[in-house]
Amino acid sequence: DIVMTQSPDSLAVSLGERATINCKSSQSILYLSNSKNYLAWYQQKPGQSPKLLMYWASTRESGVPDRFSGSGSVTDFTLTISSLQAEDVAVYYCQQYYSTPHTFGQGTKLEI
Amino acid sequence: QVHLVESGGGLVKPGGSLTLSCAASGISFSANYMGWIRQPPGKGLEWVSYISDSGTATFYGDSVGGRFTISRDNAKKSLYLEMKSLRVEDTAVYYCARDVGVGGAFHMWGQGTMVTVSS
Repeated sequence: DIVMTQSPDSLAVSLGERATINCKSSQSILYLSNSKNYLAWYQQKPGQSPKLLMYWASTRESGVPDRFSGSGSVTDFTLTISSLQAEDVAVYYCQQYYSTPHTFGQGTKLEI
Repeated sequence: QVHLVESGGGLVKPGGSLTLSCAASGISFSANYMGWIRQPPGKGLEWVSYISDSGTATFYGDSVGGRFTISRDNAKKSLYLEMKSLRVEDTAVYYCARDVGVGGAFHMWGQGTMVTVSS
């Protein structure tokens, strides 16, 4: 199974500042035939279901603010929030869907 | 309105069985792969199971393979998870979710149903 490891486990960022969350896969999740990285990012606010932010590592889901961006390739990925807003307080998860089981990272708790 | 609504959760003794259902509305249910993801209280997300649009291909996480069975009824717009030989560690909120169409990322989630395995 592919192991997904996020860092840090928790992060405190001031309003308006940049937040960066990292995700590392134990093996490549880049499918060479289509040059796509099989990685998604989710946001889960307290008491809510997860919400998809990104897929293909850097494609923003419809309706997601453009202050959220995804980058990286092969085994190392980053979710960046360019200017933190109060409503961004949440736990963030990465997930690989390159091979089953489609494992999740352990989560990163983002606080103000 | 677009909805996924899970049901069937509850309290069950270790070794017992339970079947979860997920009813879809407002979406073209038969066109997308679907999945079950769970979250133990206070913990992270765990991928449980995944099923193709036709229902002919199914996939399972290591901890549930051989005990859980995923299925779907496209005519009823419903997804199911039959759970047998339940263990204390299966205690979690179980979410059903719809694949966005890329082979494993989920863009629509239900509100979840709680399963508690305890004697």
